[in-house]
Amino acid sequence: DVVVTQSPLSLPATLGQPATISCRSSQGLVYSNGHIYLNWFQQRPGQSPRRLIYEISNRDAGVPDRFSGSGSGTVFTLRISRVEAEDVGVYYCMQGTHWPWTFGQGTKVEIE
Amino acid sequence: QVQLVESGGGLVKPGGSLRLSCAASGFTFSDHYMNWIRQAPGKGLEWLSYISGSGHDINYVDSVKGRFTISRDNAKNSLYLQMNSLRAEDTAVYYCTRSARLAGDWGQGAQVTVSS
Repeated sequence: DVVVTQSPLSLPATLGQPATISCRSSQGLVYSNGHIYLNWFQQRPGQSPRRLIYEISNRDAGVPDRFSGSGSGTVFTLRISRVEAEDVGVYYCMQGTHWPWTFGQGTKVEIE
Repeated sequence: QVQLVESGGGLVKPGGSLRLSCAASGFTFSDHYMNWIRQAPGKGLEWLSYISGSGHDINYVDSVKGRFTISRDNAKNSLYLQMNSLRAEDTAVYYCTRSARLAGDWGQGAQVTVSS
């Protein structure tokens, strides 16, 4: 199985400051159709996960533009340009290229 | 808008069975792959299974293969997960999600607890 490794696992963030989460996959994620299925999800306390970013860098409708995704090969990044209080929660990256599709361990973002 | 509503969760003894349902609305159900993903207490996310719109393309993660069966009824806009031979480690919140590889939409989840 493809192992997806996130870092850090805990991220104390400062309001108004940037925050970055890294995600590494154990294999390349280019699917046979050329797409790279690396997605990012946010799970706020007590809520279901919500997708933020799909295929590395495409922001979902309604997601604030302070969230951005980037990366290539086996290294990917989720960046929050200016952390807000509502960004508290756990963030997961996930690969949908190789079955079984797998999630990272999650990064808990808290306001310090 | 897209709505996914899971039901059928509950408390079951080890070795028992349970059937989860997911009622879908707000999109053409038969056009979309659907999935089940679970989250054990205090743990991360595990993608369990997917099924194509026609129901002909199905896959399972090894941890549930042979015990869980995914199915759908396009006439009823419903997705199902039949869970047999349940174990304590199957205790989790089970989410119904839309679209293969991408999981763009999620339900609120159904709690399944396996305990004697």
